[in-house]
Amino acid sequence: SAVISQKPSRDICQRGTSLTIQCQVDSQVTMMFWYRQQPGQSLTLIATANQGSEATYESGFVIDKFPISRPNLTFSTLTVSNMSPEDSSIYLCSVSPGLAREQYFGPGTRLTVT
Amino acid sequence: KQEVTQIPAALSVPEGENLVLNCSFTDSAIYNLQWFRQDPGKGLTSLLLIQSSQREQTSGRLNASLDKSSGRSTLYIAASQPGDSATYLCAVLLSMFSGGYNKLIFGAGTRLAVHP
Repeated sequence: SAVISQKPSRDICQRGTSLTIQCQVDSQVTMMFWYRQQPGQSLTLIATANQGSEATYESGFVIDKFPISRPNLTFSTLTVSNMSPEDSSIYLCSVSPGLAREQYFGPGTRLTVT
Repeated sequence: KQEVTQIPAALSVPEGENLVLNCSFTDSAIYNLQWFRQDPGKGLTSLLLIQSSQREQTSGRLNASLDKSSGRSTLYIAASQPGDSATYLCAVLLSMFSGGYNKLIFGAGTRLAVHP
């Protein structure tokens, strides 16, 4: 299994600002994913981030709001831009060694927007 | 569109009981099904992965079964302990034929409380 870390673990941000969340993996992985978990809800996939290509966003999520970088096989960032209170959620990154393989999740970043 | 449902939404039991958590999904075109555990305010811990060709997987006191044709999975927890208290999530991995590519669809979870 992969060991995944995220920074920051939590943050409280002002409306209208942006926050960049980092995801670091202890081994090289092909596929990285970003999920959102709104309060009391289950997880929803935001986008898939594969190294060397543009991120693929799910319906309802756009690059201007959630820009993603994937500079190498062990690291990715998700930015939550122009935040509003509705963006208050836990943001989780996950990785998979390949298609149809097990996914492993990071500890999450708890974001509160005031 | 794939939908995943988990029943019950919450469960409170005394220590030592054997438990059954249920997960159902609407589209049988899946690669696999994964059970996770989530502790409050934390990330997800993978418990068991069942490939679409498999019927069940076991790890310690946990046993998960999969009936792909009927769209159901069951997580069985034997001799429950207070440390098992958490939210249990099931997720199906869509196959490319159903429009997905390594995309996990999650259920809403079963919130389990095991009291001494």
